[in-house]
Amino acid sequence: AQSVAQPEDQVNVAEGNPLTVKCTYSVSGNPYLFWYVQYPNRGLQFLLKYITGDNLVKGSYGFEAEFNKSQTSFHLKKPSALVSDSALYFCAVGDTGRRALTFGSGTRLQVQP
Amino acid sequence: EAQVTQNPRYLITVTGKKLTVTCSQNMNHEYMSWYRQDPGLGLRQIYYSMNVEVTDKGDVPEGYKVSRKEKRNFPLILESPSPNQTSLYFCASSPSSGRYNEQFFGPGTRLTVL
Repeated sequence: AQSVAQPEDQVNVAEGNPLTVKCTYSVSGNPYLFWYVQYPNRGLQFLLKYITGDNLVKGSYGFEAEFNKSQTSFHLKKPSALVSDSALYFCAVGDTGRRALTFGSGTRLQVQP
Repeated sequence: EAQVTQNPRYLITVTGKKLTVTCSQNMNHEYMSWYRQDPGLGLRQIYYSMNVEVTDKGDVPEGYKVSRKEKRNFPLILESPSPNQTSLYFCASSPSSGRYNEQFFGPGTRLTVL
């Protein structure tokens, strides 16, 4: 069975500082990894994905994520946080053996001015 | 505008009263899916559909039904709702299998079952 863990319920960071939102996964085959963001009263929006290739993936709004196979991690990063980045972030994983994604429990990012 | 729409956005109902939440996409996507979102649990998949007339169970299908008679529509049916189905529901679509393609999400339906 595939699974995703987001170990932090909330991450607090000051505006202008770098941010990291952590995600680890478990799959039986090759992973397909995603990050989605949810703003208040909105549906989820796609940020970025890793399917294969370069371990550093760049996505929307200046976000990037690093795939680390040995640590089974896919942490979301941004060099300089904005107050408008405050939202709920979900990591998700799929693999070749299953036709659906499994989402993590979500991490609330709070960026203070 | 490319989008996934859901109706209603908010619904309060009583135990046992059948209801349907509609979902429609205008992107000609093959894959559609329903999720429920509960605090601390993230999103859990209820049902998904790879194409017309092809549906399959997700992780939490009990108490739900779906149908895919047309490519654009994927309604979620609760034939006898119970309070434990109080949740925020999202419909999503994708060009093909959702496991390696970006999914487009609807705005959500907040359901309360009394």
